[in-house]
Formats: sequence, structure tokens, C-alpha cells
Amino acid sequence: DAGVTQSPTHLIKTRGQHVTLRCSPISGHKSVSWYQQVLGQGPQFIFQYYEKEERGRGNFPDRFSARQFPNYSSELNVNALLLGDSALYLCAATSVYGNEQFFGPGTRLTVL
Amino acid sequence: AQKVTQAQTEISVVEKEDVTLDCVYETRDTTYYLFWYKQPPSGELVFLIRRNSFDEQNEISGRYSWNFQKSTSSFNFTITASQVVDSAVYFCALSEGTTSGTYKYIFGTGTRLKVLA
Repeated sequence: DAGVTQSPTHLIKTRGQHVTLRCSPISGHKSVSWYQQVLGQGPQFIFQYYEKEERGRGNFPDRFSARQFPNYSSELNVNALLLGDSALYLCAATSVYGNEQFFGPGTRLTVL
Repeated sequence: AQKVTQAQTEISVVEKEDVTLDCVYETRDTTYYLFWYKQPPSGELVFLIRRNSFDEQNEISGRYSWNFQKSTSSFNFTITASQVVDSAVYFCALSEGTTSGTYKYIFGTGTRLKVLA
């Protein structure tokens, strides 16, 4: 089975713009989580979705939103980008057998 | 509140040396899970191990071993006979048990391991 995939790999935006990041989980994995990893820090939880419903939300402003589609893929949207949004955005699929999460390669977002 | 502390920011060792990465956690729950992930320069987090709070048995997988001690709230990771390929940032993470199906990980700040040839 293919692992978690994310697109795009890299993205450069300017302040005030909007961005959409995409994630496809491992086949059969119905739960997707999003994390933000700022350089030099550990990943910070943003959202978790399961069966298209939001199951958890981290301490992020309303500029951040997400959704999950019937095929369990997911989008993360960020509006009104700030310089501080520059980070590696990681998507993770949760194992159906336990709660270990398998991460994708991430999307590196740079906001200028 | 949940918290994971990895006090070692960076460790350098010479190849074939043993190295231990420390992880201390805080949680009020009696049911929780602990994880270790490896993040090579490519950026992808690689799952290494999961432990639940009811299983304090230490685990060994090849050159890797983990020591879980609830009494000291620690979950340390040892690499025996380190190799250059072990160079990466290692993260410890905590997830509390939940009936809602929400699996939010709390990560430490990571330990950068450099293994010198």
C-alpha cells in the first residue's frame, strides 16, 4: 500500500494570500490529522478528522480550516497568510489497529 | 496539562557509541500512549514505537531499545552501536486515551542526534 501522500511539496506565498494543502491517507485509514511544524520545534496539532467529521482542533486561529472528503482525503486551508505561518505542514493517517499515526512527507510553506 | 520534555537539544556521538535520548512526560490521565518518531533531513516523520500506559515492559528492536518507567514519567530511547544513518531529529510524543476517537499527539521539541564517522 502507498503511504500518506501530500501535495504540493513546496509552496511560496505572500502575506494575505490563501493556501490549500492536500493529503491522501493510507488506503483504509479513515482518520486524518494535520500538524504544523515550525523550524526547530516539534509538530503542533491543528485538526483531526474522522469519517468527514472534525474530531479535534488545536489552538489555531479561525484562519485555519480543514475538511475531509468521502474518499478520506483531506484539505487544509489557511486564509490571510502571515509570515508566522511559514512551516512544514504534516498530514497523518491513524492506524485502524491502534492510534499510531503515519505521517506524510509534508508540505513546506514559505510566506514572504 | 499534557506536556513532553526532551531536555537534550542536540547530541553528538562517534559511530559505534551507545546513546540514550531522554523523554519526560506529564499527564493526568491513567490511560495514555507514548511514541517515538525519527525525522531525517527529508522531513518525513518515521514511526518507531508505541507504548501504552499499562505496559511497562521494556522493548528491544535490533539496535533500538526503549525504557518506560511510570514512576519517573520517563520513556527513554537507546541506540546501541550507533551508525551514521541514525543521524536525525528524534521526537517523543504523548497521546491521551479518549472515547471520542480524538488522537491528538503532544510532541516534545526533539533531540538532534549527530553520529560522526
